[in-house]
Amino acid sequence: EAGVAQSPRYKIIEKRQSVAFWCNPISGHATLYWYQQILGQGPKLLIQFQNNGVVDDSQLPKDRFSAERLKGVDSTLKIQPAKLEDSAVYLCASQPTLGRSYEQYFGPGTRLTVT
Amino acid sequence: AQSVTQPDIHITVSEGASLELRCNYSYGATPYLFWYVQSPGQGLQLLLKYFSGDTLVQGIKGFEAEFKRSQSSFNLRKPSVHWSDAAEYFCAVGAINSNSGYALNFGKGTSLLVTP
Repeated sequence: EAGVAQSPRYKIIEKRQSVAFWCNPISGHATLYWYQQILGQGPKLLIQFQNNGVVDDSQLPKDRFSAERLKGVDSTLKIQPAKLEDSAVYLCASQPTLGRSYEQYFGPGTRLTVT
Repeated sequence: AQSVTQPDIHITVSEGASLELRCNYSYGATPYLFWYVQSPGQGLQLLLKYFSGDTLVQGIKGFEAEFKRSQSSFNLRKPSVHWSDAAEYFCAVGAINSNSGYALNFGKGTSLLVTP
């Protein structure tokens, strides 16, 4: 079974530029998460999808971050414009469906450096 | 609010020695607790999880964890550490958030260094 795929793995941009990350979850997984992991900290939830609907985006900085999950499969996370403090690893995770009993499977992450 | 505290930022152990990583949680109801490991450049891999039942949980790679409700703790242990165990370890609590969503709240992690 293929795992969660993310691309690109690394990205370096200048502040005020835009960037987009892509995630392909495990086949059949209805729930998809984006987490932000700043160096030295644990991952923090940005947004959660169930199929193509947003379940929770309360911690997403909506003035600059956006995310979508068209057709309930792949997802993209965009930052526009980027700030220095957005430098982090962006992790995508999926699980079969909503609920506490399910394991979340994580992708390898995209490491973003904003200069 | 649901939260996790990992008191130790860095831990160094000798290869073959025993290991215990500490985790304390704050959660109003019965918590769902997890330990993840993250090697450099890799995503998070689940080591073990506790939902209910037996408070001593066995995981992969020889790890185990014990849930102690009275101490609000879920410490990770391994009797004999291997050099390949050097990594970042995260404790997490599964929490219901707004709109009945569910996500993991992570601690800040403990970095494990294994010396020869």
